[in-house]
Amino acid sequence: KQEVTQIPAALSVPEGENLVLNCSFTDSAIYNLQWFRQDPGKGLTSLLLIQSSQREQTSGRLNASLDKSSGRSTLYIAASQPGDSATYLCAVLYSGGGADGLTFGKGTHLIIQP
Amino acid sequence: DAGVIQSPRHEVTEMGQEVTLRCKPISGHNSLFWYRQTMMRGLELLIYFNNNVPIDDSGMPEDRFSAKMPNASFSTLKIQPSEPRDSAVYFCASSFVRNQPQHFGDGTRLSIL
Repeated sequence: KQEVTQIPAALSVPEGENLVLNCSFTDSAIYNLQWFRQDPGKGLTSLLLIQSSQREQTSGRLNASLDKSSGRSTLYIAASQPGDSATYLCAVLYSGGGADGLTFGKGTHLIIQP
Repeated sequence: DAGVIQSPRHEVTEMGQEVTLRCKPISGHNSLFWYRQTMMRGLELLIYFNNNVPIDDSGMPEDRFSAKMPNASFSTLKIQPSEPRDSAVYFCASSFVRNQPQHFGDGTRLSIL
């Protein structure tokens, strides 16, 4: 069974710091990996999608990397702001059988202190 | 630009009642997904439709759950009869094709008393 793990489960840092969220997955046969943000009581907002042939994607202060062979992805947030406080979810779309939708990690709950 | 629209946003009902959740995907998207989010299990796929046809319903927990997609702009998830353990947030998502970014609705927060 494919599994996605996110470390840490929770993180609290002062405003302005650069930080890294980690995601690992057990099966390297993937189409893509997607990072989402979820605010309390809200749906998921797609931040970045990395196709299996890509190594990284960037959007503003966010940079996501993918190392398919080692089963790892990182989300780098530069110059963090209080508005970045949310739960960040990593999800993998596997190309093998048995999982037609995204397989999600449990998320990293991020708090940026003003 | 309308995103994925789900209704209702909140539903509170007594166990044994029928519950129907609704979803309107983004226009032009051919793949539709229903997910369920709980504190214990996180987000899990319930069912996946491609071009209105159910492809993978292996995540549907029991026969009490059913989903339909009568046309490209509408899908329903029905629970009959509902039980307290069905309480969760149910999300609908759509994508142009399966391996493109999925866009999520705001979810339906379901409470079964």
